Amino acid sequence: DADVTQTPRNRITKTGKRIMLECSQTKGHDRMYWYRQDPGLGLRLIYYSFDVKDINKGEISDGYSVSRQAQAKFSLSLESAIPNQTALYFCATSDQGVADTQYFGPGTRLTVL
Amino acid sequence: SQKIEQNSEALNIQEGKTATLTCNYTNYSPAYLQWYRQDPGRGPVFLLLIRENEKEKRKERLKVTFDTTLKQSLFHITASQPADSATYLCALESNDYKLSFGAGTTVTVRA
Repeated sequence: DADVTQTPRNRITKTGKRIMLECSQTKGHDRMYWYRQDPGLGLRLIYYSFDVKDINKGEISDGYSVSRQAQAKFSLSLESAIPNQTALYFCATSDQGVADTQYFGPGTRLTVL
Repeated sequence: SQKIEQNSEALNIQEGKTATLTCNYTNYSPAYLQWYRQDPGRGPVFLLLIRENEKEKRKERLKVTFDTTLKQSLFHITASQPADSATYLCALESNDYKLSFGAGTTVTVRA
């Protein structure tokens, strides 16, 4: 089984809808991250969490929120989706003290019409 | 402002040749730099990490150099194979124990 899983893998939604992307990991890592990837722009950090009680904004957090339900679960929500949030979204984990080498999930392709 | 720049164009090479990718950065002082591989539709996969006090790191057919004076890392794939075709991302330690990623360089190895 994959160490980092994301659901759903693909989602098409309409402008204004609320969307939740979920991430689960079995690696036992404390640190979890949400990124979005757009062609030519690379990976950009949306939110990150270093433990269950820690939530931090990344460089592009506007329009997004997160919830760290447990060490193994980190969810990303789009409260009111807009077309420019169409992108590939990745969850990642890392182990404290290992130079933040990150382990990525398979990604969620989100399309907002 | 902080910037990470990788080869702006895709790299097309013949099987057996060496691919060399560059990663240049400005306004970072990273203690380490990492390289990842990403296949289409999949998440990045960690390949190599090199620390600021290391000049060179090797793993099988991969070699990474790190020059903190030039603010540059070079990533080499020697004896390239079609299976090496992918996008390669460099990532730098940012502040607060986060990584910042370059946009990536797409490598295509022709048989």
